[in-house]
Amino acid sequence: DVKVTQSSRYLVKRTGEKVFLECVQDMDHENMFWYRQDPGLGLRLIYFSYDVKMKEKGDIPEGYSVSREKKERFSLILESASTNQTSMYLCATTRVEGYYEQYFGPGTRLTVT
Amino acid sequence: GDSVTQMEGPVTLSEEAFLTINCTYTATGYPSLFWYVQYPGEGLQLLLKATKADDKGSNKGFEATYRKETTSFHLEKGSVQVSDSAVYFCALITGNQFYFGTGTSLTVIP
Repeated sequence: DVKVTQSSRYLVKRTGEKVFLECVQDMDHENMFWYRQDPGLGLRLIYFSYDVKMKEKGDIPEGYSVSREKKERFSLILESASTNQTSMYLCATTRVEGYYEQYFGPGTRLTVT
Repeated sequence: GDSVTQMEGPVTLSEEAFLTINCTYTATGYPSLFWYVQYPGEGLQLLLKATKADDKGSNKGFEATYRKETTSFHLEKGSVQVSDSAVYFCALITGNQFYFGTGTSLTVIP
């Protein structure tokens, strides 16, 4: 079974802090994704990565950056956290061939005060 | 552009009732279609999938049929249980892009 883990389930940070959210997968999948989930808005793609050191902007990249130094690890960075970044953050992975389905981590609920 | 539209929630049903959650899509290519489920406090899990027209995906008593003529992929279950209470997301992939619906919250009461 694919296992996707996220560094924290719950996180509380102050406005202006730099925040790191980490995602690790153990199935050698090439593609990794970061989404945020908000009530009534569903899932919105922040960034994705097709390979190590490669990244592509999703629909809402403003205020975020990402890092993928190793294949199994994909980090989401909030350079200066703001209250409107309070949300549930979900990481997902897929294989390259077929883009068949996404495997999700358990999510990190981030609160910025 | 490509998109997924699913039924607004929340939906509340009594145990053993019949469930339908509507999902329609817009896609220029030949998408694969998915239903994901999110239980409270957890990430999304794949519930079922269909990769071409007229395919029926099924799992845990849920089923959905890929209808190209009506661009739909409605989720159904004949008899829901309290343990089915969750948020359900319809999704499609076309080319290299995933698109998710906004989610439908289901609560099943005993």
